[in-house]
Amino acid sequence: DAGVIQSPRHEVTEMGQEVTLRCKPISGHNSLFWYRQTMMRGLELLIYFNNNVPIDDSGMPEDRFSAKMPNASFSTLKIQPSEPRDSAVYFCASSSRVELANYGYTFGSGTRLTVV
Amino acid sequence: GENVEQHPSTLSVQEGDSAVIKCTYSDSASNYFPWYKQELGKRPQLIIDIRSNVGEKKDQRIAVTLNKTAKHFSLHITETQPEDSAVYFCAAVEYGNKLVFGAGTILRVKS
Repeated sequence: DAGVIQSPRHEVTEMGQEVTLRCKPISGHNSLFWYRQTMMRGLELLIYFNNNVPIDDSGMPEDRFSAKMPNASFSTLKIQPSEPRDSAVYFCASSSRVELANYGYTFGSGTRLTVV
Repeated sequence: GENVEQHPSTLSVQEGDSAVIKCTYSDSASNYFPWYKQELGKRPQLIIDIRSNVGEKKDQRIAVTLNKTAKHFSLHITETQPEDSAVYFCAAVEYGNKLVFGAGTILRVKS
């Protein structure tokens, strides 16, 4: 398995533009998590899905952020409009109840977002 | 919900010495406690974990201990090496599959 795949690896965009981050979880994992990492706030959980259904989006900073999981193999995190304070590394992670019990989460390589 | 506190925020040790990182959690129902290592520019990776029915677990130079009564768990690294330099995160499961992470500890091993 190729692991959790995120794209793009790096994104530089201008303030006000729409940004879409993508994630493909490990096949068979039924939970998907979006995290944001910054020096000031560490690893923050933005939203997570179980079986493609959003379970907890309390970490989504504001209405500019939205996430979807249309099927078991794909998820997107969208920021519209983007602001400089959104600059961070965004990680996607996946797991299953069995995987969590044995291996924890598997993280993707992350997307480094810079909003100028 | 679950709250995880991690100390210290930075730790410098001499190569060959031991390093200890401590975490406390708030939810007595939490039953799974993983530790992640994140090297600069890389993803967090699981290095060791412990479940609430176990008090200690070892894997070569790393070990984790858990005190359920006090609701704290610790990571111990012995004979530290320069490649141990990284950010370490503890975590606790809140419910379902949701992990809550500590703020992280920057470990520097000086050679």
